[in-house]
Amino acid sequence: EVVLKQSPATLSLSPGERATLSCGASQSVSDNYLAWYQQKPGLAPRLLIYDAYKRAAGIPDRFSGSGSGTDFTLTISSLESEDFAVYHCEQYGSALPFTFGPGTRVD
Amino acid sequence: EVQLVQSGAEVKKPGESLRISCKGSGYIFSDYWISWVRQMPGKGLEWMGRIDPSDSYTNYSPSFQGHVTISADKSINTAYLQWNSLKASDTAIYYCAKHRTYMDVWGNGTTVTVSS
Repeated sequence: EVVLKQSPATLSLSPGERATLSCGASQSVSDNYLAWYQQKPGLAPRLLIYDAYKRAAGIPDRFSGSGSGTDFTLTISSLESEDFAVYHCEQYGSALPFTFGPGTRVD
Repeated sequence: EVQLVQSGAEVKKPGESLRISCKGSGYIFSDYWISWVRQMPGKGLEWMGRIDPSDSYTNYSPSFQGHVTISADKSINTAYLQWNSLKASDTAIYYCAKHRTYMDVWGNGTTVTVSS
C-alpha cells in the first residue's frame, strides 16, 4: 500500500498570500497518478488537480500542481477567501488500494 | 449535468443491517467505476472499494474487505454499499465517486450514525 503524508497539517495564512502544500508518498506513484481535492465543511470533496499537474474543469488558474515520483506540491498563488478549506491528496496508481493523505487545513 | 445523488442520513443500532445508495445521472453509468469513500468524524478520507457497473466486478481495500459489500444495478444507474452487521465504529459520512482514474464527480454524502 502506498502511504501518503501531507505537510503541514495546518497552514495559517491570510488572503493574498501564497500557499504551498506538500504530499509525499512512501513509494513512487505510478504514472504520476496523483490528485488534489478541496473539501469545505459539510461538503463533499471537489477535484482540483489530477495526474499531478492538470487542472480540473472550472478550477481557477491560481491553483497549480507539480511534482513526480514521491514528492508532489499543490500551490495556491494568491489565496482568496473561498480557498480556506482542507486539501487532500490521493494516489490512484496501478497498485490498489487507492490511498489518501491525512489532509492539510488552510486557515 | 453529471450528478451522483446519495440516499439520506441513517440512524441504526449496532448489529443492524443497512444498504445505502448512489444514483448516477448525466453520463453513461456503466462506463465509469464507482468508488466508496469513508470519512469518520473529524478525520480524513479512506477508500473502501470500487465497482465496475458494467459487470459488477469489485475491488476492496483490505481494511474493509469482508465487512462491507459493494453492488450495482446498471439498469437503474445505482450503486450500493451494504453492511450486514453495523458497529459503532461505522459511524461516518460515506461518499460515492465516479472515476476511470481520478475521482472527478462525488456524491453529496450519506451520514450513517450507529448508536445503541
